Amino acid sequence: KNQVEQSPQSLIILEGKNCTLQCNYTVSPFSNLRWYKQDTGRGPVSLTIMTFSENTKSNGRYTATLDADTKQSSLHITASQLSDSASYICVVTHARAYKYIFGTGTRLKVLA
Amino acid sequence: DVKVTQSSRYLVKRTGEKVFLECVQDMDHENMFWYRQDPGLGLRLIYFSYDVKMKEKGDIPEGYSVSREKKERFSLILESASTNQTSMYLCASSLLWTSGRASYEQYFGPGTRLTVT
Repeated sequence: KNQVEQSPQSLIILEGKNCTLQCNYTVSPFSNLRWYKQDTGRGPVSLTIMTFSENTKSNGRYTATLDADTKQSSLHITASQLSDSASYICVVTHARAYKYIFGTGTRLKVLA
Repeated sequence: DVKVTQSSRYLVKRTGEKVFLECVQDMDHENMFWYRQDPGLGLRLIYFSYDVKMKEKGDIPEGYSVSREKKERFSLILESASTNQTSMYLCASSLLWTSGRASYEQYFGPGTRLTVT
């Protein structure tokens, strides 16, 4: 079954600290993996996309990694800011079904 | 910048009412999608459309219908709203997938929080 699982479900950190969010998937065949940031009451916004051949991608303080062999991805946030408080959603695209498969997200709260 | 707009941010309807949710995108995207988002369940696909007047059922189409009369507009219809349809509804659009290239980014609207009482 094609699934995307994220951990942890929620996370609280202090401003300035780093954190890492995890995404494991069983989608096959795999096309690409995206991380989205969703602020409360808003639609998701894309942070990074990685294809099979890419194992790291950065967007400012956000760095995503992908291990296609173990089917794992992580999103690392460096020097967190209050504005990083949001849900982070991992989305894997199935290569043949043209289908986006969503994880349930990690809710991050950054405290001052 | 791609812009996807939804007709309402918040909506309160009564059980049994017919509800229309409208979505408009301004980037000439072929694909448009309707999702619902519930705590702990993530985004679930209700319907999508890859062209005018074309529609495909997603994972949870029961109780919903859609309409795409113009390329830029995709409507979600709740024929007879029920309390279990209380949710956040998100519209998205993307370029048309082509063989071997299902990598186009989805652009999401701000969402409509629907409450059915």
